[in-house]
This record gives sequence, C-alpha cells and structure tokens, in this order.
Amino acid sequence: DIQMTQSPSSLSASVGDRVTITCRASQSISSYLNWYQQKPGKAPKLLIYTASNLQSGVPSRFSGSGSGTDFTLTISSLQPEDFATYSCQQTYNSLTFGGGTKVEI
Amino acid sequence: QVQLVESGGGVVQPGRSLRLSCGVSGFSFSRYGMHWGRQAPGKGLEWVAVISDDGSNKDYADSVKGRFTISRDNSKNTLYLQMNSLRAEDTAVYYCARGIAAAGSLDSWGQGTLVTVSS
Repeated sequence: DIQMTQSPSSLSASVGDRVTITCRASQSISSYLNWYQQKPGKAPKLLIYTASNLQSGVPSRFSGSGSGTDFTLTISSLQPEDFATYSCQQTYNSLTFGGGTKVEI
Repeated sequence: QVQLVESGGGVVQPGRSLRLSCGVSGFSFSRYGMHWGRQAPGKGLEWVAVISDDGSNKDYADSVKGRFTISRDNSKNTLYLQMNSLRAEDTAVYYCARGIAAAGSLDSWGQGTLVTVSS
C-alpha cells in the first residue's frame, strides 16, 4: 500500500501569510495527487487535481506542484476563509489520504 | 446543481449490519464511478470503496474488505454501502463522493451520515 505523509500536521499563520504544506508518498505516484480542504462539520472540497490543476471555482491563490514522491500545496496569501484542514490524496494505486494539516490562526 | 445525500446512519451494536444509501441528482449518475469515504471522530479522511459507472468493477480498502459491499442502482440514481460485522473502529461519518476517472479525484461530496458502533 502507498502511504501518504503530510507535514506539518498543524501550523499557525496570519491573514496575508504565504503557507506551504508538504505531502510525501512512500513510492512514486507520478502526478496522481489531489488536494482537499475541509472545514469542521463539513464535507471535503476538491482544490487541486493531478498535482497542479486548479479545480473550477477555486481561488487562484491556491496552487499545487510536484511529481513522483514530493508534492506541495501553496496558499499565496492566506484569507480568513482558508483556515481549515488540508489533505492530500493519491490515486496512483487505489486511493489513500494523508493525515491532514490543520491551518490555524 | 450536483447533489449527493447520504442516509441510513445510526447507532448499531458490534457485529451487526447497516446499509447506507446515497441519493444523487443534478448529473448523469450512470456515467460516473462513485466512492465511499469515512472520517472517524477527530481523525483524517479514509477512503472506503469505489464502484465503476456500470457497477462491474469494485475495490475496497483493506480495513473493510470482506465485510463491506458497495453497490449501485443506476435506475434509482442511488449508491449503497452494505456494512456487515461492524466494529467499534468503523465508527465514523461516512461520505459518498463522485469520482473523476482521469484524475481519480473526488469532485463532489455529500454532507455525510454518522455511524456509531457501540454496545
């Protein structure tokens, strides 16, 4: 099974900050990596698919990069509505989620 | 407008069974693979199962293989998850989600239904 490891597990940031979250796969997954945002009590929301493609309707301050085993999600200027938990997901072999990164004020 | 609505959650004793349903609207259900995922209290997301658009192919997480069965009725626009031999560790909010084949991403999710396994 492919394991997905996110870092950090949580971070504190301020409005306007640039935030970077990392996801590492236990083996190469090419670009089969997606990112989700989840707020408390709500369903996950797809942000980025195949590593770097912005889902329709998602603000351009979100971006994704990477391939192989190392991936990043970047929020260029953190907004109040961005405080949430972010999770990566590989779809190279079955599906696996990372443990999540909580972005707090 | 794409909508997915889960139902069937509740409190169940260990070893018993429960069937979840997910009714969908706003898109051509029979053209999409569909997934179940779950999230235990205070934990991260866990993928549970997937079914192809015509129901001919299915896959499961190791944690539920042999106990859970995913199915669909395209005539009713409904996805199902039959859960047998439930364990305390199956306690979670269960979500259904629409799959995008090329990317494997899950682009639309329901609001979730809570399953609590407890004696």
